Formats: sequence, C-alpha cells, structure tokens
Amino acid sequence: DAGVTQSPTHLIKTRGQHVTLRCSPISGHKSVSWYQQVLGQGPQFIFQYYEKEERGRGNFPDRFSARQFPNYSSELNVNALLLGDSALYLCASSLGQGALGYTFGSGTRLTVV
Amino acid sequence: KQEVTQIPAALSVPEGENLVLNCSFTDSAIYNLQWFRQDPGKGLTSLLLIQSSQREQTSGRLNASLDKSSGRSTLYIAASQPGDSATYLCAVNSGYSTLTFGKGTMLLVSP
Repeated sequence: DAGVTQSPTHLIKTRGQHVTLRCSPISGHKSVSWYQQVLGQGPQFIFQYYEKEERGRGNFPDRFSARQFPNYSSELNVNALLLGDSALYLCASSLGQGALGYTFGSGTRLTVV
Repeated sequence: KQEVTQIPAALSVPEGENLVLNCSFTDSAIYNLQWFRQDPGKGLTSLLLIQSSQREQTSGRLNASLDKSSGRSTLYIAASQPGDSATYLCAVNSGYSTLTFGKGTMLLVSP
C-alpha cells in the first residue's frame, strides 16, 4: 500500500508568488493535516481537514489556505510568498483525528528567493 | 497552550551504548504521544505511539514510557547503532486536532 504521498518534492519560488502543494493520504484515511517545519525546529501545525471540513487551524496568516477533495486528497496554498515561508511542508494522514496516530509524508521543500 | 520540551538537544555516543531521550509536556490532559524519527531533509517516520491509558510501548530495540501525571515521556534505545543517527521528535496529541512537537534531539552514533 502506498503511504502518504506529497508533490512536488522540491520547489523554488520568488517572493510574492503563489504556490500549491499537494498531498494524498493513505487509502482509507479521511483526515489530512499540514505542518510547516523550519530548519532546526519541530513541525508547526497549519491546518487539519477531516471529511472535507476544516477541523483545526494553527497560528498562520490568511495567506495560507487549504482544502480537501472528495477523494480525501488535499492542497495547501500559500499566497504572496515571503522569504520566511521557506521550509519543509509536511502532510500527515490519520484515520480519524489522531486517536490511532499520524502517518507523515516525505514533505515538500519550499525555497523562496 | 501545550508546550513540549526535549532534552538533550543533541547527543553523541559510541556504538553499542544504551541511551535515553527525554520529552516533557506542560498539559497532562493528552490523548496520546507519538515518537518520530527524522533523517536530514526527510519526512517523519513513526516509531511508537502511546495512548494516554498506557505506561509503555516497545518495538524492537526501542521502548517508550509515559508518565502522564508528571508530563514526561522517555524513549530508550538499546544497543545503539550508527543507523540510529537521526533527529528524534516527540509529539503530543491533546485532542484539538493537532500535534504539538518538541524541537527534537539530534542523535549521532559513531562506529
């Protein structure tokens, strides 16, 4: 079975541009969460979606948005990119809302120049 | 607000040593706690999940304990190997649809 898949693996963008990151959860998992990890820090929570509804939002500006599709895959969108948005973006899937733990993908490395 | 602290921040040991990584959290009202491994520039690999009602979990050379009342968890690695070199992250699920992570312990096991 495929694990959590994220695309693209690496991305370079210019300040002010927009980016879309994609995530496909493990088959049967209905929840997708997004995390941002800057170098040397633990991941920080951005969003959680469960059954296509937003169930949680972290302390990130409105430039960050996400959605979940009927097949439970998800997109994270970031507008008006800043240099500080450079990070590893991680997607996690779970059966429910984490009672049985989370499985993470390999991440998307975003570099903003 | 849940806060998670991991000690030490970095650890360097010779191969074969047994070692303990520590994780503490400020709010004891948790659902579960998960230990992850992260290789440089990579995603997170789940090692062990401990539910709030459990005291410990074991997988191979790894053993994780949980003392919810004192807000502590430890990850014990027996007979360390160079392949164990990675960053180990502790994450607490407090039931608000999120995981709260520590900053991790960077482990280097030398041959």
